[in-house]
Amino acid sequence: AQSVTQLDSQVPVFEEAPVELRCNYSSSVSVYLFWYVQYPNQGLQLLLKYLSGSTLVKGINGFEAEFNKSQTSFHLRKPSVHISDTAEYFCAVSEGYGGATNKLIFGTGTLLAVQP
Amino acid sequence: GAVVSQHPSRVICKSGTSVKIECRSLDFQATTMFWYRQFPKQSLMLMATSNEGSKATYEQGVEKDKFLINHASLTLSTLTVTSAHPEDSSFYICSAPRRTGSFYGYTFGSGTRLTVV
Repeated sequence: AQSVTQLDSQVPVFEEAPVELRCNYSSSVSVYLFWYVQYPNQGLQLLLKYLSGSTLVKGINGFEAEFNKSQTSFHLRKPSVHISDTAEYFCAVSEGYGGATNKLIFGTGTLLAVQP
Repeated sequence: GAVVSQHPSRVICKSGTSVKIECRSLDFQATTMFWYRQFPKQSLMLMATSNEGSKATYEQGVEKDKFLINHASLTLSTLTVTSAHPEDSSFYICSAPRRTGSFYGYTFGSGTRLTVV
């Protein structure tokens, strides 16, 4: 079974500063990895995903993440954050065979709080 | 892009009543729908997986008789919270996988905030 750990429940950062949100996973099989963003009282929006190939994945809104198999990590980064990036960020994992019944397992989330 | 429409977005109901939440895939066929619940400041926990034309699969610890799931067609899945109690108050989100190439992506509904008073 897979699991996802997001060690930081909240990350405060000043506007225009860089940020890294950490995600580690565990799985006995190959996985797909995802980062989602959730704004208050809304559903989830996909930021980026890793399926295979290049370990550096670029997503929307200037975010990127790097898959590190040896460290079982998939940390999310942005070089310069904006106030509008304030939201809850979830790392998620699914089994890497692409089936329609793949379950997404979510981490506990990290609140990115951007301060002016 | 793929859209899953979820209604209602907010509902307040009295304890003991039932509430139905609908998720419709608007521009694709969803043979599978995942139902999650999210408590305040917590992660999304998978409750059940519904499949068109067959019984839903519930995760361990989820009461089947309390959370009734029906996947009536390829575009509609519903979650009914029966005999709701205040502890059922939560944010419920549906998600449908959609095939893009060799991969299934996930499209999420916008969520339903249920408050039981």
